[in-house]
Amino acid sequence: SQQGEEDPQALSIQEGENATMNCSYKTSINNLQWYRQNSGRGLVHLILIRSNEREKHSGRLRVTLDTSKKSSSLLITASRAADTASYFCATIDQGAQKLVFGQGTRLTINP
Amino acid sequence: DTAVSQTPKYLVTQMGNDKSIKCEQNLGHDTMYWYKQDSKKFLKIMFSYNNKELIINETVPNRFSPKSPDKAHLNLHINSLELGDSAVYFCASSPRTSGGYNEQFFGPGTRLTVL
Repeated sequence: SQQGEEDPQALSIQEGENATMNCSYKTSINNLQWYRQNSGRGLVHLILIRSNEREKHSGRLRVTLDTSKKSSSLLITASRAADTASYFCATIDQGAQKLVFGQGTRLTINP
Repeated sequence: DTAVSQTPKYLVTQMGNDKSIKCEQNLGHDTMYWYKQDSKKFLKIMFSYNNKELIINETVPNRFSPKSPDKAHLNLHINSLELGDSAVYFCASSPRTSGGYNEQFFGPGTRLTVL
């Protein structure tokens, strides 16, 4: 069953602007992960945030997690053309052993 | 050099045929997975193996049979292919036995087209 739902489904911004994607989920989770998928390629892990963490940074990426609202956001600052890709959130439930992916946000960075 | 590799990259076949997709990882991970990504980009887990043992078997038709000869390999055999099997199939691996508790490393995918 689908767990995460990303919002928006598609986002188009100018290079240099910040991009924010949101993810909502339904159950109690162990952790939440964000992945990037370039067109025609496999997924690449970006960042993992555990259920007891609220914010995490990695380079130009910032992820927040609000377990009370069952939501997470991914912020990409100073976007570049190379950031054009689909971004997926994925969750793993407490006691489960599988990642459940959302349907992704397609991000387009215009030069 | 590739961490998770899959063959073939593209597979075009007729309905009713049997085909296999191979996956290998050189990361030393214990856990491997097969995912199916449909035309709407929805990615869903099919199977997971830990040290050659099946630990996750989602509601997948029994025409799909995974096989793990060793912990570095996880192959997927599909019998009697149907039009609805057309999708991109991804192999992935992760360290330890805790599955999704850790990040997963994905292969480049195999695009299967059933005619």
